[in-house]
Amino acid sequence: EIVLTQSPGTLSLSPGDRATLSCRASQSVTSGYLAWYQQKPGQAPRLLIYGASTRATGIPDRFSGSGSGTDFTLTISRLEPEDFAVFYCQQYDRSPRTFGQGTKVEIK
Amino acid sequence: EVQLVESGGGLVQPGGSLRLSCVASGFTFSSYAMAWIRQAPGKGLEWVSAIHTSGSYTYYPDSVKGRFTLSRDNSKNTLYLQMNSLRADDTAVYYCARVGWMGGYDSWGQGTLVTVSS
Repeated sequence: EIVLTQSPGTLSLSPGDRATLSCRASQSVTSGYLAWYQQKPGQAPRLLIYGASTRATGIPDRFSGSGSGTDFTLTISRLEPEDFAVFYCQQYDRSPRTFGQGTKVEIK
Repeated sequence: EVQLVESGGGLVQPGGSLRLSCVASGFTFSSYAMAWIRQAPGKGLEWVSAIHTSGSYTYYPDSVKGRFTLSRDNSKNTLYLQMNSLRADDTAVYYCARVGWMGGYDSWGQGTLVTVSS
């Protein structure tokens, strides 16, 4: 099983700040089969990024993904008030599909 | 507009059974693999099962293998998750999700809560 470890656990930032979230895999995630999701309280997750770096339909360009192998990053260039939420990475390279434990981006 | 609507959650005793349903609309259901993902209260996301477009192939993590059975009826645009021998640690919100062609789960339902307790 591929274990995904996200850091930091919580990120305290202000609107307009840049957010950098990390996702490290216990084994190489081949072909960049990694996705990022945003989840707000009481809502279902929303797909932001797939293929490590491709934005899903309708996702603003302030969200970007990068990385390969075992190290991946989600960057939010300038935080908007609606961006504060919990973010999860997920690999779909191997079964079982696994998620990271999440990074909470909160308002400072 | 893609819509996924789950139903069937509720309170069940340990060892009991429950069947969840997910009705899809707004897309060609038979062309997409589908999955269930759950989230225990205050916890993260856990993949529970997935099914091929035709229903011929299903996949499960060890935590539910042998207890959960995923199926689909493409004529009814409906996904089913039969859950048997339920345990307290199965308590969670269960989300139905569409598997995107390019990867990831690109559409999600609103979730249905399953509570396993005596």
